Amino acid sequence: DSGVTQTPKHLITATGQRVTLRCSPRSGDLSVYWYQQSLDQGLQFLIQYYNGEERAKGNILERFSAQQFPDLHSELNLSSLELGDSALYFCASSYGTGFTASTDTQYFGPGTRLTVL
Amino acid sequence: DQQVKQNSPSLSVQEGRISILNCDYTNSMFDYFLWYKKYPAEGPTFLISISSIKDKNEDGRFTVFLNKSAKHLSLHIVPSQPGDSAVYFCAASRGSGTYKYIFGTGTRLKVLA
Repeated sequence: DSGVTQTPKHLITATGQRVTLRCSPRSGDLSVYWYQQSLDQGLQFLIQYYNGEERAKGNILERFSAQQFPDLHSELNLSSLELGDSALYFCASSYGTGFTASTDTQYFGPGTRLTVL
Repeated sequence: DQQVKQNSPSLSVQEGRISILNCDYTNSMFDYFLWYKKYPAEGPTFLISISSIKDKNEDGRFTVFLNKSAKHLSLHIVPSQPGDSAVYFCAASRGSGTYKYIFGTGTRLKVLA
């Protein structure tokens, strides 16, 4: 158990809908990262928040947005869903900003499996 | 553009033997590398890492080797155990000034009892 929690575990919805995925980081961690894993693909970095502020963006679509709240939990909002958005969405957390990889390992939650029908 | 490649989607090894998982990268700016293990229905679990100033890092049964000139790293598991059966992801990062890991597509290891 990494200490990172994600809800829900599974989500089934229809095209055009909007969903919200939730992540609670490990106790004491200030950074939250979101990754998407499509079928047979590696994890693709989407976005990072550090202590409530957006820190970095990766391959995140404009239909997707995220935020980190004062209690440090984070939500990833996916809107106008398409079939291709079906994937596993992982949240990871680390203590620092992630600026120095060797001292700021990312720890992953169990993921949310999103199925868009 | 796949900057981190794991060309073997799967690998089967007998219990007690050595498992060798391989990973290649193309970006010479990468100088920090990690291996994660993933069981079904769980998130990736950090296993071991290596900085580019080293060519080997060992932690118990797990050893990671880095060949910078070949842009290649490998994970050795000795001896392999059935509980090691999982998907192994290689990830790369710039050691500093960055925030994201670039992951390979994973290798599914099956250790046969």
